Amino acid sequence: RKEVEQDPGPFNVPEGATVAFNCTYSNSASQSFFWYRQDCRKEPKLLMSVYSSGNEDGRFTAQLNRASQYISLLIRDSKLSDSATYLCDLMDSNYQLIWGAGTKLIIKP
Amino acid sequence: DAMVIQNPRYQVTQFGKPVTLSCSQTLNHNVMYWYQQKSSQAPKLLFHYYDKDFNNEADTPDNFQSRRPNTSFCFLDIRSPGLGDAAMYLCATSRDLREGQDNEQFFGPGTRLTVL
Repeated sequence: RKEVEQDPGPFNVPEGATVAFNCTYSNSASQSFFWYRQDCRKEPKLLMSVYSSGNEDGRFTAQLNRASQYISLLIRDSKLSDSATYLCDLMDSNYQLIWGAGTKLIIKP
Repeated sequence: DAMVIQNPRYQVTQFGKPVTLSCSQTLNHNVMYWYQQKSSQAPKLLFHYYDKDFNNEADTPDNFQSRRPNTSFCFLDIRSPGLGDAAMYLCATSRDLREGQDNEQFFGPGTRLTVL
């Protein structure tokens, strides 16, 4: 089993819809968790940190489920500009950084 | 604006010809990272510096070397590029390596390496 797994997608979603995807991890001692957004042929950009209590920033909500070992990202009222690949990143107990391969999201008009 | 800068943005080299990629940061962050990313794959961490302390990932080939002469600059040297080394090379920084927000990474725009 990979240390971090993401559904590669693509998720094809109509504009205005709500979409959610998960990132599962295998090391239960993992600590810091993050969601990054990466546009085609560009660098990843931090979208939001994922705290134990969850995190919300406008239309974006991130949750951490330690019992089931996954983090989630929910996007409400999706915009065309939300089309991108969403990568999760975490730091394990040995301070090793582990990345998922990303979930591709396509918002259609 | 504080930022992470990478030069060049595009690099073409010949098989076996050494190449150096550069990264600079104005964020005054302690940690600098070099990643390799190929199409539709996760960024692959090659190594990182915590201040001057160099940390090599176990599976990073010896062909890849790095230097960090000061806080602001970090270089990636590829001694003998092969066709399989064609990729996007991303430099990133973070404030620290502690749990929490200090691990948030800020990326440069990347250098796209082509090997002929």
